[in-house]
Amino acid sequence: EADIYQTPRYLVIGTGKKITLECSQTMGHDKMYWYQQDPGMELHLIHYSYGVNSTEKGDLSSESTVSRIRTEHFPLTLESARPSHTSQYLCASSDWGLNQPQHFGDGTRLSIL
Amino acid sequence: EDQVTQSPEALRLQEGESSSLNCSYTVSGLRGLFWYRQDPGKGPEFLFTLYSAGEEKEKERLKATLTKKESFLHITAPKPEDSATYLCAVQAAENRDDKIIFGKGTRLHILP
Repeated sequence: EADIYQTPRYLVIGTGKKITLECSQTMGHDKMYWYQQDPGMELHLIHYSYGVNSTEKGDLSSESTVSRIRTEHFPLTLESARPSHTSQYLCASSDWGLNQPQHFGDGTRLSIL
Repeated sequence: EDQVTQSPEALRLQEGESSSLNCSYTVSGLRGLFWYRQDPGKGPEFLFTLYSAGEEKEKERLKATLTKKESFLHITAPKPEDSATYLCAVQAAENRDDKIIFGKGTRLHILP
């Protein structure tokens, strides 16, 4: 069963709208991550956080922003959605320490018209 | 540049037909190699972590092995419910953060 939750699961919305993708975890993990995944392609890290008030950009250039005000919550925001933002967005968390595996939510599939 | 390559891209097997999936990696020092299973419309599900060459991990019909340059995921007598995409990811020792690099995955389809 999932201990990391993403909402909405699916979102179809028009260009120019502001979007917030929600991610919450109940495992008490300090580290959280956002990935983008297109069909048949590898996951690309777009943002990560080591804990409250910590946010870092990943390897994939992204027009999104994140915040980490509470340990369990790591929302991702697109200020003005564009068709190029159409993708699957996956949130993950991991425990502190070396080599800890990341645990993923089921993702938000985003389509921008 | 750190890189992870998985092969084959797709594999179709009959139920009970054992096979192996390959993950080759290029990193400057391996901190850990991870295997995940991903079902359609779902997030990746963690399977194994391997740390050093010669290490093996098993779970039901799956066994993961690690050498200095590659990892194999062996599937013994697979069942249709083993159909999924299997992802390999590596964490490099020189990374100061927890970034892991994913391969594109192998789509496995087990025919009944």
